[in-house]
Amino acid sequence: DSGVTQTPKHLITATGQRVTLRCSPRSGDLSVYWYQQSLDQGLQFLIQYYNGEERAKGNILERFSAQQFPDLHSELNLSSLELGDSALYFCASSEQGWFTEAFFGQGTRLTVV
Amino acid sequence: EDQVTQSPEALRLQEGESSSLNCSYTVSGLRGLFWYRQDPGKGPEFLFTLYSAGEEKEKERLKATLTKKESFLHITAPKPEDSATYLCAVQMIYNQGGKLIFGQGTELSVKP
Repeated sequence: DSGVTQTPKHLITATGQRVTLRCSPRSGDLSVYWYQQSLDQGLQFLIQYYNGEERAKGNILERFSAQQFPDLHSELNLSSLELGDSALYFCASSEQGWFTEAFFGQGTRLTVV
Repeated sequence: EDQVTQSPEALRLQEGESSSLNCSYTVSGLRGLFWYRQDPGKGPEFLFTLYSAGEEKEKERLKATLTKKESFLHITAPKPEDSATYLCAVQMIYNQGGKLIFGQGTELSVKP
């Protein structure tokens, strides 16, 4: 167990809908990272928050947004969902704004039908 | 363009048959190179971080090494429980954050 908790584990929704994925980092970690993993793209960095502020941004779609709350948990919001958004979404956390090692959660499997 | 390439894509070994996985990278400035193990449907599990050429780290049957252009993950006398996808990732100096660029992974299968 990495100590990073993601909910829900599975999510099935229809095209055009909006979903929210939640991540609780390890105790003491200030940074949260979001990654998307699909079969053809591999693990792709989406966005990083450090102590509530956006720190780094990847190729995150405009339909996607994230935030980190004062208690350091984070949410990834996906809207106007398309079939191609079906993927595993992972959250990772680290103590600092960059890291010597990062710990990943077990992921949320999103299926858009 | 920053890039990470892993080879082979898939590797089948017999139990006890040692081998190596390769990770080559092209980045503007390397802060660290990371190895992760990922089981199907699970999150990546951290294995090693390497920072400078010549550095080596070991954990049980795994040994990771780093040169200026590539890293190797050596697996000595593997067991079936070593079967997984092994991911290599790099973190760059110029990034303000902790973004990792991942390779596509090597899927390792160890048969008894």
